[in-house]
Amino acid sequence: GDSVTQMEGPVTLSEEAFLTINCTYTATGYPSLFWYVQYPGEGLQLLLKATKADDKGSNKGFEATYRKETTSFHLEKGSVQVSDSAVYFCALIYNQGGKLIFGQGTELSVKP
Amino acid sequence: ETGVTQTPRHLVMGMTNKKSLKCEQHLGHNAMYWYKQSAKKPLELMFVYNFKEQTENNSVPSRFSPECPNSSHLFLHLHTLQPEDSALYLCASSQGAVAGYTFGSGTRLTVV
Repeated sequence: GDSVTQMEGPVTLSEEAFLTINCTYTATGYPSLFWYVQYPGEGLQLLLKATKADDKGSNKGFEATYRKETTSFHLEKGSVQVSDSAVYFCALIYNQGGKLIFGQGTELSVKP
Repeated sequence: ETGVTQTPRHLVMGMTNKKSLKCEQHLGHNAMYWYKQSAKKPLELMFVYNFKEQTENNSVPSRFSPECPNSSHLFLHLHTLQPEDSALYLCASSQGAVAGYTFGSGTRLTVV
């Protein structure tokens, strides 16, 4: 079945370090892909999305490119801040509808 | 303000109590969802409503009873819960697939 796999956390970085959180997916069709972020004590917020192959989603300095050939949607940020500490979820959904399928989440901790 | 409001934010209840969680959205979305988020576990989709009709129940125990009186409101009625039901309960809504879901801030439930 369709699924999303993320790299294991927690990921611990120093402030201003480069961030990559890996996400790969298994899908029978061509889904839209999302990154959600969950700050401590809060719900999930949509961070960025891409709806077709080679699209790049970006927001708040975060980027992710939809790579159909490697079925990946890795999240990157050039310089993380302490305020980026959160749990990040990769997800997919088919454009025709259906459920949003989440990865297991990756916790990021940024130290000053 | 995420557009999806959940109340209460925190709830402590005994195993013999009856309580209800409320979710409200005024985004014009036609689908609403309940998720359970337990520590160290993936997000669990519990129920899905489309145009007020329940379209999915993921083998949720009957001590959880959803209600969707209209497309803007969703309730989760709770009775005779167990301590393992303690979790963050998240509500979400959506309109179409590619926009993704909008989440509320959640209700932190503790069963004592």
